[in-house]
Amino acid sequence: AQKITQTQPGMFVQEKEAVTLDCTYDTSDQSYGLFWYKQPSSGEMIFLIYQGSYDEQNATEGRYSLNFQKARKSANLVISASQLGDSAMYFCAMREGPYNQGGKLIFGQGTELSVKP
Amino acid sequence: EAGVAQSPRYKIIEKRQSVAFWCNPISGHATLYWYQQILGQGPKLLIQFQNNGVVDDSQLPKDRFSAERLKGVDSTLKIQPAKLEDSAVYLCASSLGGFYNEQFFGPGTRLTVL
Repeated sequence: AQKITQTQPGMFVQEKEAVTLDCTYDTSDQSYGLFWYKQPSSGEMIFLIYQGSYDEQNATEGRYSLNFQKARKSANLVISASQLGDSAMYFCAMREGPYNQGGKLIFGQGTELSVKP
Repeated sequence: EAGVAQSPRYKIIEKRQSVAFWCNPISGHATLYWYQQILGQGPKLLIQFQNNGVVDDSQLPKDRFSAERLKGVDSTLKIQPAKLEDSAVYLCASSLGGFYNEQFFGPGTRLTVL
């Protein structure tokens, strides 16, 4: 069963507007972590933001915020004031155990974001 | 601080040949990961090391893939013999090892099998 689902293969947004990238997850663990990574065409994976399952407040990092709805098992990424440099693939990932050994990341299929001038 | 280093960046081989990739993690990072990213998909974990021991290799095709982490630092991933479906980007990542620690990724090695 797919554990991370990103239902938007591609998204377009106008420069300076906000955009939401969807992510839903499936786990029976009480303790887990959710991550968003950006992958430009150059190929490197760039960490954007992290949300722990016990964090009561939504995570924010600059223009990135994570809309965490635990009951719905969703962890959507919101990018405010989009810039041309935001054009890239975006991956949602969930960390699973073993908890004392760093865990492993399960990635979704990704969403390709294109920012239009 | 230096990031995760990988080499080579690109490799083209013919099927049935062998190939090896090298990864040098961030200094002090106990946990090292190798991921396979096929075009159009998210990365998939192949193997995870904690220091020089294997934590998870459940998705490593052991009939053709092997990996080692010498002295708990550098790591090599080998494919022998390669198949067409092994064409992918191979990403190495490292972390301090705690559950909530971020994984830092290297630039990846793009493998093309002809």
